Amino acid sequence: AQTVTQSQPEMSVQEAETVTLSCTYDTSESDYYLFWYKQPPSRQMILVIRQEAYKQQNATENRFSVNFQKAAKSFSLKISDSQLGDAAMYFCAYGSAQGAQKLVFGQGTRLTINP
Amino acid sequence: KAGVTQTPRYLIKTRGQQVTLSCSPISGHRSVSWYQQTPGQGLQFLFEYFSETQRNKGNFPGRFSGRQFSNSRSEMNVSTLELGDSALYLCASSGGQRLNEKLFFGSGTQLSVL
Repeated sequence: AQTVTQSQPEMSVQEAETVTLSCTYDTSESDYYLFWYKQPPSRQMILVIRQEAYKQQNATENRFSVNFQKAAKSFSLKISDSQLGDAAMYFCAYGSAQGAQKLVFGQGTRLTINP
Repeated sequence: KAGVTQTPRYLIKTRGQQVTLSCSPISGHRSVSWYQQTPGQGLQFLFEYFSETQRNKGNFPGRFSGRQFSNSRSEMNVSTLELGDSALYLCASSGGQRLNEKLFFGSGTQLSVL
């Protein structure tokens, strides 16, 4: 079974600075997806960024980028130029490309932005 | 395009009752998944429906059930409610060609069991 681990329950960063959230996972599959979801107080899970395991290139979405290390099974999220609106719970998630249609989530990291 | 819609947003029930939650996926999506979110256990997969058939099921007791209609709308039912069923229930839909390629979530139903 796949597992996802987020070792940082809470993180804080000054507005306009850069922060990195960590995520490691365990799987025996070779084809899969990795995600970072953001959950603000509104509760809706919002997809921040998605990485396809068979792609070597790290995914980027504006101020958000990932460092995907497949051999190390590591998938960290970097947020540049942090904004107050980035404050939320961030969840790392794993999705198989050939197994069941379901995501396995980490426990989440609460990100606080200090003005 | 409208997003994933979950109703109701909040629900209060008492132990022993049953409850039904509804999820309308994004138009054209055929897969609907349900997740339970609690502070202690985090986000856990309940089940997934595809074209009116349950395709996958998580490790939850039989009190948790669901169904999907021909228009892809889905309902989940919890019978004989227990205090521990208090949680945020999230629904996600997808319609990609590959499994787990991109899932879209609703805002959830917050269930409180008293």
